[in-house]
Parts: sequence; C-alpha cells; structure tokens
Amino acid sequence: QKEVEQDPGPLSVPEGAIVSLNCTYSNSAFQYFMWYRQYSRKGPELLMYTYSSGNKEDGRFTAQVDKSSKYISLFIRDSQPSDSATYLCAMSGGGSNYKLTFGKGTLLTVNP
Amino acid sequence: EAGVAQSPRYKIIEKRQSVAFWCNPISGHATLYWYQQILGQGPKLLIQFQNNGVVDDSQLPKDRFSAERLKGVDSTLKIQPAKLEDSAVYLCASSLAGSGVFLYEQYFGPGTRLTVT
Repeated sequence: QKEVEQDPGPLSVPEGAIVSLNCTYSNSAFQYFMWYRQYSRKGPELLMYTYSSGNKEDGRFTAQVDKSSKYISLFIRDSQPSDSATYLCAMSGGGSNYKLTFGKGTLLTVNP
Repeated sequence: EAGVAQSPRYKIIEKRQSVAFWCNPISGHATLYWYQQILGQGPKLLIQFQNNGVVDDSQLPKDRFSAERLKGVDSTLKIQPAKLEDSAVYLCASSLAGSGVFLYEQYFGPGTRLTVT
C-alpha cells in the first residue's frame, strides 16, 4: 500500500462547478497536509496547508483534513478555466519526519 | 523577489552519457531540495541540503547520482551514467528552513526535463 493515494483523474468540469479533490494516506505520523497546484511544464506552487485535523478556507479554496479517516480534501468553488492544472497533495510528519510525501496528482480541466 | 532558477530547461542524452543540472535558490533560503518527477507521478525527494550540508539523501541512487551545494547557495545535480529510467523532470526547490512551519513553504523552480534515449 502506498503511503499516499490520489486518484489521477483526469477530471473535467464545466466553469462554475464545485470541484472536490481527495487523497488518502496510511501513515498516522503525518501532521502537515498541503495542496500544490502544478501548471503544465511548471514547478508545483503551494496553494494551501493545514496542520492536523480541521478545515481551512482561502477564497474559493477549502482544505479539509480528517485524521481519523486518514482522508484529506480540497474543494474549489466557482471553478475557472484558469484552475485547469494538476493538483498534488503532500504530507509530512513534521519534527524529525520532515520529508514531504506527494500523491500522484489529479489532472483537472475546467471547460468554459 | 526572484524565484528558483534552473538550467537547462530541456536535455536529451543517450543512455550511459552524463548530464548535470544547475539550481539557484531564492536568496536567503537555507534549505535546498532536488526532486525527481516521473511522468504521471508526484515529485520524489532525492536530496535535501541545509546550507551546504546534506540532511537527507536516502532516496538518491548514489551509484549514479551525485549532488553538491558549494558555499551554501547554488547546487548541481549530476547523473553518470544515465539510464532510460532516469527520464523525468528534475525539480529544485528551496525554503527558508527545513523543518517546522517553514517546511511546507517550498518554492519550486520550473524544472529540467530530461529525456534519455
């Protein structure tokens, strides 16, 4: 079993839709949870981070972490064509387990 | 603020040849990372430097890969000899520190796309 599982998609939605992206993980030591966005032929850029369980909102983006289920989500409201990219979840244990472990990424296309 | 710079952007070599990639991190960032991203996969950490010291190189194939960060600023990653399975994008990232709240604030460069034929 991989430490981090992420459905690679592809996911195609119409403009204005609500998008839900998800990752599951197996390592109970993970405490920091991140979402990166990667446009084609670019490096990943940090979108949001969350420490431990809970929700975090930033504009049209909401990150959720459920440590009891080992499940994290990223919601995008009112999706725009400019949101078309690959979304990568990443996790870390922090402390001495600082290494980031990435999911495979989900390719999202938002159609005008 | 200038971002992480990498060169070259693209490289095509034959197997068994050698290749080197260069990275210039964001000014003032003490921690530098090299990742390998194979098509359809997430980035995998190859090596992490804190200033000019190696913090973690547990996933670096040391029989063929080497990296250095002289003077704690620029870094080079070398592959010698290259194999077909080394075809990937090599990403460099930097952060202010390598632990605690700064860990997730890694800034990535555009990457070098390597094709080994």
